This record gives sequence, structure tokens and C-alpha cells, in this order.
Amino acid sequence: NAGVTQTPKFQVLKTGQSMTLQCAQDMNHNSMYWYRQDPGMGLRLIYYSASEGTTDKGEVPNGYNVSRLNKREFSLRLESAAPSQTSVYFCASSDQKTGGVHNEQFFGPGTRLTVL
Amino acid sequence: AQKVTQAQTEISVVEKEDVTLDCVYETRDTTYYLFWYKQPPSGELVFLIRRNSFDEQNEISGRYSWNFQKSTSSFNFTITASQVVDSAVYFCALSDDSGGGADGLTFGKGTHLIIQP
Repeated sequence: NAGVTQTPKFQVLKTGQSMTLQCAQDMNHNSMYWYRQDPGMGLRLIYYSASEGTTDKGEVPNGYNVSRLNKREFSLRLESAAPSQTSVYFCASSDQKTGGVHNEQFFGPGTRLTVL
Repeated sequence: AQKVTQAQTEISVVEKEDVTLDCVYETRDTTYYLFWYKQPPSGELVFLIRRNSFDEQNEISGRYSWNFQKSTSSFNFTITASQVVDSAVYFCALSDDSGGGADGLTFGKGTHLIIQP
């Protein structure tokens, strides 16, 4: 089991460029998440998908879009990158069912993104 | 609204000392879950423990122990006889029932723990 995988590991973009961060999990989890981590800020939720076919905004969704391609994959797209989006991005998944026990989230290794 | 406060930004202790990391949370829900994660220098996030709001029993796992007190809305983490390998950033996180539990975690800002040899 690879767990949660993310590609790429590192990326440098120029302001205005677009890119998609890929995430996949092989644990058959229902829920998937995208967080960003900035120095001194902890992790903040960008978007989440409680189940295949649904996506919802988190705390900091502006400038991002997501796609839950299937149960395994959840991608994050930056349409027009800005320096404020320089961050480390983590994808996570959880065997979480709405209304059920709150299970732990498993995190990918992260993508370090720099926007110049 | 949910909130998690980790007031200690950085703690530095000498190896073998005991150290406690504080976590205070806010939520309006009666059903909620608290988590601790470890982020070592390599950057990955490692799950340590989950506790639900109906279980106030303290938990011990080797050198790690957790003290959950609903009366003070705290979920503190103690490392006994610290080791250099414990050096990491530790995050406390909360999940309440407002989104059925599937709407993500609210993290504190983390405590950077430095264990000096």
C-alpha cells in the first residue's frame, strides 16, 4: 500500500501560470482533503470531498478549484498562480462517513510550491 | 466556530526531561474529536492519537501520554524522558459534528519541540 501519494514534490511557477496538483489514495477512503501549510499558520483546509462526486469549500478556497475524479483521486488546480499561493500543499484521506465516527486522516508527503 | 490554540510556539528542553505541549480548543458541538499529529523535520504528518468528546480517560502509549479535560477544554500532550528523535512540530487538531465529521480538521498553529542532546 502506497497510502496517499502526491505529485509533483516540488514546483516553481511564475505569476499567472496554472498548474494541477495530483493526489491519489489506495486505502478505499470516502473522504479526501487539500490543506495548505504556511510558516507559523498550521494547516488550513482549502477544499474537501466527503464522497465521490461531491466537493466543498474549506477555510481558504479562493484561487483554487478541485476535482474528485473518482474515489481514488482528488486534484487541486491553481488557474492563475499568485505569490500568496507559495506554500506547502498536503492532500489527505480518511475513512470518514458523514455522521459516523471521526476517523484520523492520512496525509501525503506534500508538494512544495513556489510562485515567483 | 471551531478554534484550536497552541500557545507555545517553540519549546526547547534537554534530552531526558519531561515536556508538556498544551492544546486548548473551542467548539459549540457536544460531539467532537481531538487529534495530535507529529511533523518531523522530513515534513510528513504522522498521526499520534484520536480522542472523542465522550471519553475523558487519559491515555498512555510508551513515553507519550495525553490529558483530556473537558472542564478546561484542553487536550495536553506529555512526552516523558524526551529523546532527540522527538524533535518535531506537533499539531493539535479538532473535528466537530457540524459537517458530520467529513469536513476536515481545524489545526492549531503547532508547537516546535526541540530536544537538545
